[in-house]
Amino acid sequence: SQQGEEDPQALSIQEGENATMNCSYKTSINNLQWYRQNSGRGLVHLILIRSNEREKHSGRLRVTLDTSKKSSSLLITASRAADTASYFCAMKTSYDKVIFGPGTSLSVIP
Amino acid sequence: KAGVTQTPRYLIKTRGQQVTLSCSPISGHRSVSWYQQTPGQGLQFLFEYFSETQRNKGNFPGRFSGRQFSNSRSEMNVSTLELGDSALYLCASSLGALFDGYTFGSGTRLTVV
Repeated sequence: SQQGEEDPQALSIQEGENATMNCSYKTSINNLQWYRQNSGRGLVHLILIRSNEREKHSGRLRVTLDTSKKSSSLLITASRAADTASYFCAMKTSYDKVIFGPGTSLSVIP
Repeated sequence: KAGVTQTPRYLIKTRGQQVTLSCSPISGHRSVSWYQQTPGQGLQFLFEYFSETQRNKGNFPGRFSGRQFSNSRSEMNVSTLELGDSALYLCASSLGALFDGYTFGSGTRLTVV
């Protein structure tokens, strides 16, 4: 399968803590993106990191990319209850299809 | 500017019927992709359209079809509905064929009974 895989599948933390989720993939990529989905809604684009970048920041988000290990991580610092959602990594495969990982379900407890 | 609009939001159909879902992308976006989301299978790629041409297709049976119009609006059709087609169908638009970020609609929740 060329799908991305994420871990953990589910994560529960206290408000104010940091949350880290990981994504591994099998294909060569030009970029990797992270999306958030609140329950039953559409996905929202969070951040894009290109294959020649190692790290990228956006507000409380930090994304890293290791193309040699074919893996990426998303760190959310100082989490808030509003960060409760599912988080997905996405990438375009060598077959030119955009695929999404199975997602990490994050629960932030107030 | 307006976001991606999917209609209808909710739909209940009976097995064997057919259904048409609509997606209006962000103005100026020429690429529309469709995904099926279920708890068991996650997000599964259905189709990608760019300038009225299907660029790519996922591994779904021929009952699933789609098209894109000259104004970039897209429709997908599912014929001979099965219970397993119950899912959230998501449409994503982007400016071009490069994967530089999608804007998703809120989805159509299809329930087949």
